[in-house]
Amino acid sequence: AQSVTQPDIHITVSEGASLELRCNYSYGATPYLFWYVQSPGQGLQLLLKYFSGDTLVQGIKGFEAEFKRSQSSFNLRKPSVHWSDAAEYFCAVGSHNTDKLIFGTGTRLQVFP
Amino acid sequence: DADVTQTPRNRITKTGKRIMLECSQTKGHDRMYWYRQDPGLGLRLIYYSFDVKDINKGEISDGYSVSRQAQAKFSLSLESAIPNQTALYFCATAPRTGVREQYFGPGTRLTVT
Repeated sequence: AQSVTQPDIHITVSEGASLELRCNYSYGATPYLFWYVQSPGQGLQLLLKYFSGDTLVQGIKGFEAEFKRSQSSFNLRKPSVHWSDAAEYFCAVGSHNTDKLIFGTGTRLQVFP
Repeated sequence: DADVTQTPRNRITKTGKRIMLECSQTKGHDRMYWYRQDPGLGLRLIYYSFDVKDINKGEISDGYSVSRQAQAKFSLSLESAIPNQTALYFCATAPRTGVREQYFGPGTRLTVT
């Protein structure tokens, strides 16, 4: 079955620390992969996407993600977290032959000063 | 102005009432989607539409109906609201071609008492 797993429900980091949010997927076709961020009271904003080419993709707000086919993973990283990064982060997967995305259950990031 | 708008942003209604949530977009996208978000469950697809004449059920369509009045408008109705439909509802759009990343509205928080 197609699925997306975000193993960490809640992560807490100190401001200035590095961050890695995990995402694993199970998908039969070549995946398109996405990371979205949801700030409190807001809709989901696209951070970055991968569909082909370089497996390390850069996104907005200083985020990057690396696609590792052998591990079925698409982890999100940021070298230095800011307090404004506190939000919920969703990983999603789709493909060229579907019009639907499958979302993970999200990881809530808390940032301490 | 926002590309994807949703009205109302917040709504409290009583069990058994009919309620409509509206979504409008200025992105010119063909695809439109309705999701509900519940804590710990991520986003679940209710309905989606590829154009005015093409409506499809998602994974949790029971108790909901939709109307695609125009390319830019997609409404979600709860015919007889029940308390377990209390949730955050999102509308999203996507282009017909390409990677088809989805763009989200700000959400409607619905409470059914």
